[in-house]
Amino acid sequence: GQNIDQPTEMTATEGAIVQINCTYQTSGFNGLFWYQQHAGEAPTFLSYNVLDGLEEKGRFSSFLSRSKGYSYLLLKELQMKDSASYLCAVLPYTDKLIFGTGTRLQVFP
Amino acid sequence: DTEVTQTPKHLVMGMTNKKSLKCEQHMGHRAMYWYKQKAKKPPELMFVYSYEKLSINESVPSRFSPECPNSSLLNLHLHALQPEDSALYLCASSPDRSTNQPQHFGDGTRLSIL
Repeated sequence: GQNIDQPTEMTATEGAIVQINCTYQTSGFNGLFWYQQHAGEAPTFLSYNVLDGLEEKGRFSSFLSRSKGYSYLLLKELQMKDSASYLCAVLPYTDKLIFGTGTRLQVFP
Repeated sequence: DTEVTQTPKHLVMGMTNKKSLKCEQHMGHRAMYWYKQKAKKPPELMFVYSYEKLSINESVPSRFSPECPNSSLLNLHLHALQPEDSALYLCASSPDRSTNQPQHFGDGTRLSIL
């Protein structure tokens, strides 16, 4: 089976740094993706990793360790608008994306 | 704003109605997807189209009928839906189903079944 785990909820303060972890056990691996989803809106693509290491995109970075089945999304200089759900998704094979249950992040002033 | 456009944004229908959801992308993507998302849950894959042909049907009830008229358009025809079908329906596209490129989502259609 396919299993993707993320914390359900996290809180952080504006201006701080937060790390959202994701662990996965899947029958294959072709990439790991992070999406942001505000309530009632569509998921927005943030970052993805295919190889081990860190990918940086502005305030967002994502890390992958395939041997450990582990990834994290790092958000720096948090802003109020970063309050959203963050979805970790794995592509075990081509085209069939499997989503984790998402981490709801609340940013406080 | 997204490059995947879905219409309508909201739809309320009775259980005996027939309606269609529409999705359009002009990024030249050849893989298109339908997902269903219930509140506080992740998206669940329903259908995958690759080069206008249905490649995956995740055991979706026949009251949902997908159609891909051309490489830019994807429809989801709805008939005799149940109240539990109320959800956010998301369309997504990616360059090709055989690559590991990210899928890009439309804003979704929020469907309510009375």
